[in-house]
Amino acid sequence: DGGITQSPKYLFRKEGQNVTLSCEQNLNHDAMYWYRQDPGQGLRLIYYSQIVNDFQKGDIAEGYSVSREKKESFPLTVTSAQKNPTAFYLCASSIRSENTEAFFGQGTRLTVV
Amino acid sequence: GIQVEQSPPDLILQEGANSTLRCNFSDSVNNLQWFHQNPWGQLINLFYIPSGTKQNGRLSATTVATERYSLLYISSSQTTDSGVYFCAVSYAGGTSYGKLTFGQGTILTVHP
Repeated sequence: DGGITQSPKYLFRKEGQNVTLSCEQNLNHDAMYWYRQDPGQGLRLIYYSQIVNDFQKGDIAEGYSVSREKKESFPLTVTSAQKNPTAFYLCASSIRSENTEAFFGQGTRLTVV
Repeated sequence: GIQVEQSPPDLILQEGANSTLRCNFSDSVNNLQWFHQNPWGQLINLFYIPSGTKQNGRLSATTVATERYSLLYISSSQTTDSGVYFCAVSYAGGTSYGKLTFGQGTILTVHP
């Protein structure tokens, strides 16, 4: 099945710990994105990557880091510097084109305990 | 950056009713998508519609890019239509294709 797979679905983290969220796609898309959603809110862009070995900060990148070593994979690390990490995280991908539709994974719900 | 405003913020319907959701945006776009977020949080693609009109079953959408708005129509609503509907756009003046800016969403509740 073609699609975007995020893991794990639920993640619990102690304060002060780094944690990495996985995002894998087999759609052969060049571009990948990470969004954050807080309760009752829309999604906000954290980081995006249009091509392997390149990525750019989005609107709320502080306290997060990413890598893009493979076309299929775009992991997100939530570091201890992120002040309020409890949120729902969604990964997306699209063709690298001006007119392009984005598709989303099922999300990871991160809770800091 | 580009601003996206959705209305109404909340909508309560009886099953079988029709509804219209609106999305206004502040600048030129080269991408506009409508999503339905289900109770488990997954975003379901409804329409990719930077301009024009599309229909898919009971749902249809129209985007008037020159006037900077889009409408999502739901006819004969069902309880399974409940959830949050998001509009998201990509600014046409940028170089980073596919970056979406989301509205705050419309929470739709359909009662049996």
